[in-house]
Amino acid sequence: DAGVTQSPTHLIKTRGQQVTLRCSPKSGHDTVSWYQQALGQGPQFIFQYYEEEERQRGNFPDRFSGHQFPNYSSELNVNALLLGDSALYLCASSSLGNTEAFFGQGTRLTVV
Amino acid sequence: KQEVTQIPAALSVPEGENLVLNCSFTDSAIYNLQWFRQDPGKGLTSLLLIQSSQREQTSGRLNASLDKSSGRSTLYIAASQPGDSATYLCAVNAYNTDKLIFGTGTRLQVFP
Repeated sequence: DAGVTQSPTHLIKTRGQQVTLRCSPKSGHDTVSWYQQALGQGPQFIFQYYEEEERQRGNFPDRFSGHQFPNYSSELNVNALLLGDSALYLCASSSLGNTEAFFGQGTRLTVV
Repeated sequence: KQEVTQIPAALSVPEGENLVLNCSFTDSAIYNLQWFRQDPGKGLTSLLLIQSSQREQTSGRLNASLDKSSGRSTLYIAASQPGDSATYLCAVNAYNTDKLIFGTGTRLQVFP
């Protein structure tokens, strides 16, 4: 079991650009959630996908969007990058109704 | 609005000590509580999950307790080792939602 895998592990982008981060959930999981973790802070919930639909959303602007594919993998897209978007982006997978979450190793995004 | 607080923010102890990390939350209507470990720049590793109906969970040298009525959880680490050095995060999951609300973590250093 490969667990939750995220790609890429590190990324450097220029302010104003767009970025796509990817996540493959743990085998048997159907729900993917994305979190943003700023340095020294706890992770903040961005949104959650189930059955290819956004099920819940945190307090993040529309520049943050996502997608879930039929194989349950997911993408996080961020448009018009700001310096403040620099963070560790974490993907978590779970089974709907069994809320124990398993996290990937994260993608470190640096916006310059 | 649910808020999660962890005390202390940082802790440095000699190897072999037993220690307690604290987590408090403002809304007792939680579905479960999870403790995670995070190594620098890495993802989160799930340590223990306590359902709202449970009082405690144990895994090896780790024991987590939950007191919903007082809005508190503690993580007890027995016979600490240098390999336990990491940031420990607690997160609560409210009913009817699969999103986790995190504290800011306790950064633990165990020195030989």
